[in-house]
This record gives sequence, structure tokens and C-alpha cells, in this order.
Amino acid sequence: NAGVMQNPRHLVRRRGQEARLRCSPMKGHSHVYWYRQLPEEGLKFMVYLQKENIIDESGMPKERFSAEFPKEGPSILRIQQVVRGDSAAYFCASSPEGQSRRTQYFGPGTRLLVL
Amino acid sequence: AQSVTQLDSQVPVFEEAPVELRCNYSSSVSVYLFWYVQYPNQGLQLLLKYLSGSTLVKGINGFEAEFNKSQTSFHLRKPSVHISDTAEYFCAVTPHNYGQNFVFGPGTRLSVLP
Repeated sequence: NAGVMQNPRHLVRRRGQEARLRCSPMKGHSHVYWYRQLPEEGLKFMVYLQKENIIDESGMPKERFSAEFPKEGPSILRIQQVVRGDSAAYFCASSPEGQSRRTQYFGPGTRLLVL
Repeated sequence: AQSVTQLDSQVPVFEEAPVELRCNYSSSVSVYLFWYVQYPNQGLQLLLKYLSGSTLVKGINGFEAEFNKSQTSFHLRKPSVHISDTAEYFCAVTPHNYGQNFVFGPGTRLSVLP
């Protein structure tokens, strides 16, 4: 059973460009979470999605950031008009339904560098 | 709301020595507790978790942790560390009610010295 997949692993963008980060959850998992890790810091929650629904986006910046988890395909975290402060590692996690939902399984992350 | 404190940002220890990484949390509701390990330039790997039952939890790679509700702590221990244990360790909590995200501590960098 493949783990959580994220791509690209590394992404370089110039200021003002758009960044699209993709996350494929583990097979059978319908809950997806996005976290951001700034250098030398812990992970900060951004958004929690189920298929086609945003459940909790309390950690998302109000502007330029959006996330989706369509019925088919991976979850996408989109950052428009990137700025240098967006440089960070972005991690996706997934969890299954039921009691096992308590545990989140993390992908390898996408490291975004904004020049 | 929840918060997690990891008092030690860096812990150097010699190989084969014991180690304890401290984690304390604050929450107005009951929580589940987790320890994750992050190797350089990689994602987070689950070490162990406390959901219910025995307060002493054993995880992978010889690690264990003990949940102490009165002290709101979940310290991670290993009796004898290896060079390969060098990594960043994160403590995390999530409330019992559904649909909640994880709250992570700032991490502790464990450096195992030869």
C-alpha cells in the first residue's frame, strides 16, 4: 500500500508566479490535511479537506492560498502570486474513516523556494 | 485551543546513552498524543501514539513514551540511542472530537554523537 504521495518534491518559483502542490492520499483515505513548515519551526496546520469539501481552513492565509480535494484526482494546494515569505516545506497528511482517523500519515513534503 | 511545548530545542547525546525528549501540552479538552520523527529533507514518520488504555506506549525503533495526565506530559524515551536516531522529533496533540487538526510542538533536534 503506497504511502502519501506529494509532487513535486521541490518547486522553485519567482515572485508573482503561481505554485501548485499536489497530494495523493493513501489508498482508502478520504481525509486530507495540509501543513506548512517554516525553517527551524514546527508544522502549522493550514486546511483540512474531505472529498469535495473544505472542513476546516482556519490555518489558511486569507489571500492567495486555496485548496481543493476533487472527487477524482489529488488534493491541490494553490498559492497565487507567491512572495518570498511563502518559501517553506508544505506537507500533506491523510487519514482513514472511523477510529483510525485519529492517526495522520504524512507525505514527504514539497519544498517551495521563491526567488 | 491546544498548545504543545517541547522545552529542549536541541539535545546532544552520546551513542548508547539513554535519552528523554520532553513534551508538555495544554488543552481544555481531552486529547490524543503523538510523536513523529523527521529525518533530514524527509516527511514525518509516526513513532508512537497514545489514544487510550495503558499510559506507557511503545513505538518503533525502541522508543517509548508515557502519558501523564496530571502533569499534562508525554515524554519520549529510549534507553540506548544509535547514530541513526539523529533527527528532529515532534510531539503533537489532537482533540478527541472529530474533524480537528493536529497541533505540533516546535520540535527537538536530537544529535547522537559517536
